[in-house]
Amino acid sequence: KQEVTQIPAALSVPEGENLVLNCSFTDSAIYNLQWFRQDPGKGLTSLLLIQSSQREQTSGRLNASLDKSSGRSTLYIAASQPGDSATYLCAVQSGSARQLTFGSGTQLTVLP
Amino acid sequence: KAGVTQTPRYLIKTRGQQVTLSCSPISGHRSVSWYQQTPGQGLQFLFEYFSETQRNKGNFPGRFSGRQFSNSRSEMNVSTLELGDSALYLCASSPGQDYSPLHFGNGTRLTVT
Repeated sequence: KQEVTQIPAALSVPEGENLVLNCSFTDSAIYNLQWFRQDPGKGLTSLLLIQSSQREQTSGRLNASLDKSSGRSTLYIAASQPGDSATYLCAVQSGSARQLTFGSGTQLTVLP
Repeated sequence: KAGVTQTPRYLIKTRGQQVTLSCSPISGHRSVSWYQQTPGQGLQFLFEYFSETQRNKGNFPGRFSGRQFSNSRSEMNVSTLELGDSALYLCASSPGQDYSPLHFGNGTRLTVT
């Protein structure tokens, strides 16, 4: 059974810092990994999707990497801003089913 | 393109009642998935529908059911509500090809009293 872990559970940084969020998964036979952002009381916004054959994806100040063999992914946020404050979730698609298995998220606070 | 639309946004129900939640996917998307989010269990997969057929099901009791219509709109029903069913219910749509990215709606917040 696939399990996804995110560390740390919460992170508080001053504005302007570069930061890294971590995600690990137990079964390396994944099809893709997706990073989402969730604002309080809202749904999930897809940030980046990395196919299993890819090593990284970039979008603006965000860069996500994937190391399938070690079961790890990182989300790098450059020059953080208060508007980046949210919960960040990673999720993997694996196995014969199409559902996502989610981590418990990292709650990020960027202080002005 | 309009995003995934879920209605209603908020619901308050009493234990023992039943409830129906609705989801309209992105135009052209044929797959609709449902997830439950609670503080204790996080996000958990309920079921997925594709072309009006349930394609996958998570580990939830039979009180949780769903269906999909020919226009790809989906409904989720929970019968005999329990306090523990209080959660944010999220719907996601995708084109339906294997492992295409999912696009989520803003969810329905269900409170059971």
